[in-house]
Amino acid sequence: KNEVEQSPQNLTAQEGEFITINCSYSVGISALHWLQQHPGGGIVSLFMLSSGKKKHGRLIATINIQEKHSSLHITASHPRDSAVYICAVLYNTDKLIFGTGTRLQVFP
Amino acid sequence: DGGITQSPKYLFRKEGQNVTLSCEQNLNHDAMYWYRQDPGQGLRLIYYSQIVNDFQKGDIAEGYSVSREKKESFPLTVTSAQKNPTAFYLCASGSEQLNTEAFFGQGTRLTVV
Repeated sequence: KNEVEQSPQNLTAQEGEFITINCSYSVGISALHWLQQHPGGGIVSLFMLSSGKKKHGRLIATINIQEKHSSLHITASHPRDSAVYICAVLYNTDKLIFGTGTRLQVFP
Repeated sequence: DGGITQSPKYLFRKEGQNVTLSCEQNLNHDAMYWYRQDPGQGLRLIYYSQIVNDFQKGDIAEGYSVSREKKESFPLTVTSAQKNPTAFYLCASGSEQLNTEAFFGQGTRLTVV
């Protein structure tokens, strides 16, 4: 059983649209990461959250500890945002669990 | 700057040969991990280590081996026993006590020829 669930699995959008990707986990965690993977395979860490909200440029990440849920938002989406977005959870045992990713395609 | 370095980025191996993937971190993290990613699938845990000289099997450890002689290094050997070694391999490190946003390597793409 995967302890991290992401939705949707695939997402297409027109340039300029507001994007939301969701991540749910099952038990208490010490931190949650949002990662970006481009077609070449390299993975970039976007955010690490343990509470509240973080913003970097057009990207916003939020986490609700009580609801065991996190969201990644992209404002004014652009074709260069096309990638796979992965949620990864760090449990108290120091074991990382990854979601299966959300494949985002933004068309001009 | 602190970070994780994986090398090489691309690796080709002849069938039947062992190959070792390098992962080094200077973040002073206790825990290090190796994951495998196949097309259209999520990352699966191969091995992880929470302390020097100790490591545990993950979900898909068969055909792989690791060592953790130093805190900074966690090399992964893909042995000839691994039936389907062609994949993307990602190294990561973490610590419950540290707050960091960049503890993933850039990955190694291994192709068996």
